[in-house]
Amino acid sequence: ETGVTQTPRHLVMGMTNKKSLKCEQHLGHNAMYWYKQSAKKPLELMFVYSLEERVENNSVPSRFSPECPNSSHLFLHLHTLQPEDSALYLCASSQDRRGSEKLFFGSGTQLSVL
Amino acid sequence: AQKVTQAQTEISVVEKEDVTLDCVYETRDTTYYLFWYKQPPSGELVFLIRRNSFDEQNEISGRYSWNFQKSTSSFNFTITASQVVDSAVYFCALSEAVNYGQNFVFGPGTRLSVLP
Repeated sequence: ETGVTQTPRHLVMGMTNKKSLKCEQHLGHNAMYWYKQSAKKPLELMFVYSLEERVENNSVPSRFSPECPNSSHLFLHLHTLQPEDSALYLCASSQDRRGSEKLFFGSGTQLSVL
Repeated sequence: AQKVTQAQTEISVVEKEDVTLDCVYETRDTTYYLFWYKQPPSGELVFLIRRNSFDEQNEISGRYSWNFQKSTSSFNFTITASQVVDSAVYFCALSEAVNYGQNFVFGPGTRLSVLP
């Protein structure tokens, strides 16, 4: 069993659809993150949750809506996305938010917006 | 502001060659952490190493070695006797300790292709 599991692995959606990405961590970590990885761009931090509280939102458009119901689960709700939102969305977790803590990543959801 | 530069976008080598991936960073903090991650085709980033700013000892782990030089703000990664399984995208990252927050900055990555 991997430490951080993301579903689905692939998702194709139209611009008017609503979908959700799911992330689950089995490591007992207290912090969880959403990253966006686009072609030819560095990894972009989207959201940070610590102990189920959102502590960082890096100017992400409101069409992305995160949810963290407990310390093991993290969701990213998507609605009315744009084609430029097509990317690999990676979930990560860490023991806490200290700068020394390493991140553990899931395999990502490859999202295509048509 | 933090910044991580990986000047090599893509590198191709033949199996058993040695290869060095460069990483140069910028930070104003005296306490910070440097990381290397590997992203194979499966997608997940796999942690390889973490270094804090007070430990400049080079590290070797099997075929992997890391050279940290504060004087040049570099944290280079060498793979000795490369293998096809080493083919992946490698990311260097910097995290500062000033703020209590995961302030990771990733470099753009270097795509390594090891040819048989």
